[in-house]
Amino acid sequence: EAQVTQNPRYLITVTGKKLTVTCSQNMNHEYMSWYRQDPGLGLRQIYYSMNVEVTDKGDVPEGYKVSRKEKRNFPLILESPSPNQTSLYFCASSLGVAGPHKYFGPGTRLTVL
Amino acid sequence: AQSVTQPDIHITVSEGASLELRCNYSYGATPYLFWYVQSPGQGLQLLLKYFSGDTLVQGIKGFEAEFKRSQSSFNLRKPSVHWSDAAEYFCAVAPSQGGSEKLVFGKGTKLTVNP
Repeated sequence: EAQVTQNPRYLITVTGKKLTVTCSQNMNHEYMSWYRQDPGLGLRQIYYSMNVEVTDKGDVPEGYKVSRKEKRNFPLILESPSPNQTSLYFCASSLGVAGPHKYFGPGTRLTVL
Repeated sequence: AQSVTQPDIHITVSEGASLELRCNYSYGATPYLFWYVQSPGQGLQLLLKYFSGDTLVQGIKGFEAEFKRSQSSFNLRKPSVHWSDAAEYFCAVAPSQGGSEKLVFGKGTKLTVNP
């Protein structure tokens, strides 16, 4: 089954404690992205990756890092989380440059205290 | 910079009634256009997309959308709403000249369906 998986699905942490949210897709997609969703703001792109070792900033990259060492994985790293990073996070993947992000992960709800 | 406006934050319709969700975009050229649906507690599912050609596009779940260049709009429609359509709907745009991985979303329209 084609899917994008994220772990963990729920996470409560404290300010400053480094964390990683994993994202994996089994479709051999080139393009992957991270979004955050906040009430009244819709989805905003954090980072995206066009292929292995190729990443770029989206609209709200501050406070986040990503890496793309393998095609299937695109982890999101918060080196020093802060309360304003409390949000619902989605990973997405698509096949090629002209394709929309058709496949979204189930989401990770992060709370930073 | 490209932007997407969904003027209606919340819409309520009765089951069986018709539905139209509005979407306006701001972009220098005709972008790629999309509608997504998010059911409660779920991720996003692509309903339909417009790249070029016929301005009326058909999607899944009985939805359609019409691209109107003169109005910079891409409104979503359904002739008869079902209770299972209650969800949040997002319009999104991406540049057609490369960079389509940079999707920009509207803030969403929440649809409530009354029995």
